Amino acid sequence: GAVVSQHPSWVICKSGTSVKIECRSLDFQATTMFWYRQFPKQSLMLMATSNEGSKATYEQGVEKDKFLINHASLTLSTLTVTSAHPEDSSFYICSARATDPRSPLHFGNGTRLTVT
Amino acid sequence: DAKTTQPTSMDCAEGRAANLPCNHSTISGNEYVYWYRQIHSQGPQYIIHGLKNNETNEMASLIITEDRKSSTLILPHATLRDTAVYYCIVRVGPAGGTSYGKLTFGQGTILTVHP
Repeated sequence: GAVVSQHPSWVICKSGTSVKIECRSLDFQATTMFWYRQFPKQSLMLMATSNEGSKATYEQGVEKDKFLINHASLTLSTLTVTSAHPEDSSFYICSARATDPRSPLHFGNGTRLTVT
Repeated sequence: DAKTTQPTSMDCAEGRAANLPCNHSTISGNEYVYWYRQIHSQGPQYIIHGLKNNETNEMASLIITEDRKSSTLILPHATLRDTAVYYCIVRVGPAGGTSYGKLTFGQGTILTVHP
């Protein structure tokens, strides 16, 4: 149980275009999802917290207008990287917390974004 | 959240037990110890967590010292597939409110299991 699915697993896009990444909780409802970013040889850095039905909360230094987050249902959150640039190339990972507070946080398998 | 300290890297022979230490000397009474691992180019995988009692599941055992200032993750029979970065994270647990689940990752321990 507790499967989090991300799509796509990898994407290549041209500079200036937008890319949408989906994060789904497959077998549980997630009131809260988290988006992380990981650059090569570095640890995961939290970008934002996505709450179902409300606005996302962004970490300091993360541009909310560039990284649009939508959490429209209890099983789906999306991250859209707008006007992507090569420096946005990274590994984006989502995680989800079930409504049952006793369950641990589970992660998707990540999306490798390459902006050319 | 309490800060954790882990060795940068460790080696282990296949079939032997891998013991990964973590120091968290500033841990608070309501903070849990979580362990995750990340295999190359994948998302982190939950392993185990605990508050003060030792815990065991199908993947690993977690030993927490009586003063809770340190813990050890034990992989009883390491395999080559256990090669990964292991993260020890201290965080307020399930009753910690709406921010529960917001994990702060350090650099972790790179565990290499060799034949």
